[in-house]
Amino acid sequence: TQLLEQSPQFLSIQEGENLTVYCNSSSVFSSLQWYRQEPGEGPVLLVTVVTGGEVKKLKRLTFQFGDARKDSSLHITAAQPGDTGLYLCAGRQGFSFIFGKGTRLLVKP
Amino acid sequence: ETGVTQTPRHLVMGMTNKKSLKCEQHLGHNAMYWYKQSAKKPLELMFVYSLEERVENNSVPSRFSPECPNSSHLFLHLHTLQPEDSALYLCASSQDTSGRVVETQYFGPGTRLLVL
Repeated sequence: TQLLEQSPQFLSIQEGENLTVYCNSSSVFSSLQWYRQEPGEGPVLLVTVVTGGEVKKLKRLTFQFGDARKDSSLHITAAQPGDTGLYLCAGRQGFSFIFGKGTRLLVKP
Repeated sequence: ETGVTQTPRHLVMGMTNKKSLKCEQHLGHNAMYWYKQSAKKPLELMFVYSLEERVENNSVPSRFSPECPNSSHLFLHLHTLQPEDSALYLCASSQDTSGRVVETQYFGPGTRLLVL
């Protein structure tokens, strides 16, 4: 049973477009992380959200943690080809980190 | 460069071979992790070591055997693997403060394993 559902699984857009990816669960997490992974590399942490309702911004990326700490979203404004990659969300429960399958994003120039 | 290195980067082995994966972190962290990343499946946490003690073992088959000799090094010993064990094996580290694992994990580049 997958505890974290990410949607969409694949997204192909043109440079300059906006997009939102989602991470949903029926479980409550003490924190949630977003990572980006490029081919041949390990995931790189983008942000950690801890408080329900929290919003964090990282340049053109906006992350939100749901009020009930069960879901999160990542919004990218004016996407660029350099944003291409696999975006992973991970929720922490105790010592465990539960990962979603990821959203594979392709930004075409 | 995240401060976590893994060797080898690629490994091909037969089902009767014995091999080991190595992970080293240069961040001064005291918690280390092994993950398995397969196509079309989420990242799966295999083992967690905090302060050199194993604190998590997520029902991993005994053909995978972890070893953490000190806080900077983590090994994954492999023997009699199956073709379905082919995957990217990722190591990560973090700083465990007062018994709580902190959320920021730094991943290595992974070892791409192919079992024939």
